[in-house]
This record gives sequence, C-alpha cells and structure tokens, in this order.
Amino acid sequence: KAGVTQTPRYLIKTRGQQVTLSCSPISGHRSVSWYQQTPGQGLQFLFEYFSETQRNKGNFPGRFSGRQFSNSRSEMNVSTLELGDSALYLCASSWTGELQETQYFGPGTRLLVL
Amino acid sequence: AQSVTQLDSQVPVFEEAPVELRCNYSSSVSVYLFWYVQYPNQGLQLLLKYLSGSTLVKGINGFEAEFNKSQTSFHLRKPSVHISDTAEYFCAVSEALGGGADGLTFGKGTHLIIQP
Repeated sequence: KAGVTQTPRYLIKTRGQQVTLSCSPISGHRSVSWYQQTPGQGLQFLFEYFSETQRNKGNFPGRFSGRQFSNSRSEMNVSTLELGDSALYLCASSWTGELQETQYFGPGTRLLVL
Repeated sequence: AQSVTQLDSQVPVFEEAPVELRCNYSSSVSVYLFWYVQYPNQGLQLLLKYLSGSTLVKGINGFEAEFNKSQTSFHLRKPSVHISDTAEYFCAVSEALGGGADGLTFGKGTHLIIQP
C-alpha cells in the first residue's frame, strides 16, 4: 500500500507570492491534517480535513487555507508569503481523524521564501 | 489546551548503551500520548502510543515508554541503541475527548546522537 505522498518536495518562492502544496493520503484514509515544522516553533497544527470539510483549525492567520477533494486528496495554500513561512510542511492521513488512530505522515514539502 | 516539554534538545549516547528520552506534558483533561521519530529528510513515523490501560507501552524498533500520570510524564526508553537510531524524536499529546480540535501538540524534539 502506498504511503502518504506530498508534492512538490522542495519549493522556492519570493515574498508576496502564493503557493499551493498537495497531499495524497493513503488509500481509504479520509482525514488529512497539515502541520508546519520550523526550527523555532517546532511542529504546529494547521488544520484537518475530513470528507471535504475543514473540521479543525490551528492558530494560523487566514493566509493559510486548504481544501480537500472527493478523493480525499488535499491541498493547502499560503497567500502573500512572508519570510517566516519558510518551513517544512507535513501532511498526515488517517482513517477517520480520531486522535487515537495512528496518523501516517508524508515526507513533507520544504518551502523556502526569499 | 495541552503542552509538551522535552527536557533535552540533544542526547548523545554510545552504541549499545541504554537511553531514556524525557517527556513531560500538561493538560487538564485525559490525554493520549505518542512518540514519533523523524529521520533526516523524512516525515514522522509513529514509534508507540498510549491510549489507556497498561502504563508500559511497547513500540517498534525495541522502544518502550511508560505513562506516569502523577508525574505527567511519558519517557521513552531503549535498552541498547544502534547507529540507525540516530534521529529526531518527538513526544506528542492530544486531548482524549477533545475531538481533535487542536490536532496533535508536539514537543520541540530531542536529537538522539549515537556515538560508535
């Protein structure tokens, strides 16, 4: 069974641009969560989608948004990029998103904002 | 809201020696506890988790952790480490009845360095 895949793996953008990251969950998983990982703040929860609906959201500004498609694939978008948005963005999938379930993480997309 | 403190940012250990990575959490409600490992340029992989029941939890790669409610700790241990255990280790917590509103809350991580 294929694992969680994220594209692209690496991305370089400049301030003010926007970016879209993609995540394909494990087949059959309907919940996708996104996390931001930075050296300073560590791993922080962005949001979680289940059946095309955002179910939970972390404490991030509105520039960070996402969506989920009917096949459970998810995208996250960051508009008006800032230098501080440079990070590794990880997505994780699970069957239903219940936190006692194991979440399976993808390898991440490393975003560098210049 | 919950929080996690990993007391050591780096732990150097000689190969075949035992290791303990410390994790303390704070929460006003019941929690689930997790340990994840992250190898260079990879995502996170679950080592083990505590949901309920026995306080000693065994995971993959010979790791185990013990939940101590009175000390609000969930320390990770391995009796004999190998070079391949060199990685970043993250402790995480979630509220057991929170419905996932805050996702997983992670500690800042502990870099385990295995010395030959």
